[in-house]
Amino acid sequence: EAEVAQSPRYKITEKSQAVAFWCDPISGHATLYWYRQILGQGPELLVQFQDESVVDDSQLPKDRFSAERLKGVDSTLKIQPAELGDSAMYLCASSPYRRVTGELFFGEGSRLTVL
Amino acid sequence: AQTVTQSQPEMSVQEAETVTLSCTYDTSESDYYLFWYKQPPSRQMILVIRQEAYKQQNATENRFSVNFQKAAKSFSLKISDSQLGDAAMYFCAYSTSGTYKYIFGTGTRLKVLA
Repeated sequence: EAEVAQSPRYKITEKSQAVAFWCDPISGHATLYWYRQILGQGPELLVQFQDESVVDDSQLPKDRFSAERLKGVDSTLKIQPAELGDSAMYLCASSPYRRVTGELFFGEGSRLTVL
Repeated sequence: AQTVTQSQPEMSVQEAETVTLSCTYDTSESDYYLFWYKQPPSRQMILVIRQEAYKQQNATENRFSVNFQKAAKSFSLKISDSQLGDAAMYFCAYSTSGTYKYIFGTGTRLKVLA
């Protein structure tokens, strides 16, 4: 069964360092989301792609976060520099639907700890 | 702005019993969709059930059913015959093609007692 792949699963970094997360959605899925989930809370949308275009990045802290989805397939989320408050689970999800009306398929997430 | 509220941080249910998880939402859109997702410990989130706002009939998936009250903007999840494997975080979610938003509530942790 096809799954959303994310790496790394765990990342420990020091404050002010750069960190990057990678997501490979299910093949053929047009829409890709990056969410941040702080422990015990719900996922918070950071950025949404439709193919290679950003549809919504209104909640992305653009002074330190960047995201890209070159060729509309896999995606990278970067944080530079990392801050203590960035410690969280970073979830990637994809959907075959261009309209946000259907199921999202999630990866297992990348857990970031900033020391 | 659209919001999703889950007022129960934690719920417990005895195995084989029934439990209801609450969710309310706020929106001015007429065309939207509501979801319940399950996030087991250290596992990826999966869809439990989906409801289109234009449908009056409540969605059902095996032991899972919803009570969709559109006027009250309420969308609760009922789990019947609870099983140990139902223990997880449950998130209510909302989406609308009008704004491309797909937003989640804060979650309810469900414990199933043997």
